[in-house]
Amino acid sequence: AQKITQTQPGMFVQEKEAVTLDCTYDTSDPSYGLFWYKQPSSGEMIFLIYQGSYDQQNATEGRYSLNFQKARKSANLVISASQLGDSAMYFCAMREGQWRSSASKIIFGSGTRLSIRP
Amino acid sequence: DAMVIQNPRYQVTQFGKPVTLSCSQTLNHNVMYWYQQKSSQAPKLLFHYYDKDFNNEADTPDNFQSRRPNTSFCFLDIRSPGLGDAAMYLCATSSGQTYEQYFGPGTRLTVT
Repeated sequence: AQKITQTQPGMFVQEKEAVTLDCTYDTSDPSYGLFWYKQPSSGEMIFLIYQGSYDQQNATEGRYSLNFQKARKSANLVISASQLGDSAMYFCAMREGQWRSSASKIIFGSGTRLSIRP
Repeated sequence: DAMVIQNPRYQVTQFGKPVTLSCSQTLNHNVMYWYQQKSSQAPKLLFHYYDKDFNNEADTPDNFQSRRPNTSFCFLDIRSPGLGDAAMYLCATSSGQTYEQYFGPGTRLTVT
């Protein structure tokens, strides 16, 4: 069974510093995808970044990058030059298996609450 | 432009009184999902539709039902809400061809 673990319930970071949010996963399927979502206090889930299990390079999207270490089964999110607006809950998530009609679902980790100090 | 719309944003219902939450999408996506998210917890998938193919999670209570009358709309029906059903309910869509899920703003349900 697939599993996502986020061991940091909360983090405080000074504005403009880089921050790394940890995520480890467990799956027996060789084909999977890893996601990071941001959830501000308004409640909406905002997609940040995706990494496929067969992708050779680490994914990057603007200030977000995913440090994918397949052998360690880790997919940490790195936010460079943090901003006050980055304060939110961050969820790591995983899709297991090939994209098919009956199994196209994602499971989420427990989340990390990130607070940026001015 | 809003792509996944959930109405209402806040819903208050009485213990045991049926309630329906709605979700609509302008993306023409094949897949629609309903998640339940309780305070300070991760979203938990309740069920999803791939077109009209309904997929229920094994641990979703029978109290929760869903309808998808067409591609654009999907409803979550809670037949007899209990106090433990108070949560944020998130709707999401996906094209079925790519990995990304698009989430709506959620409906926060309060049960009194």
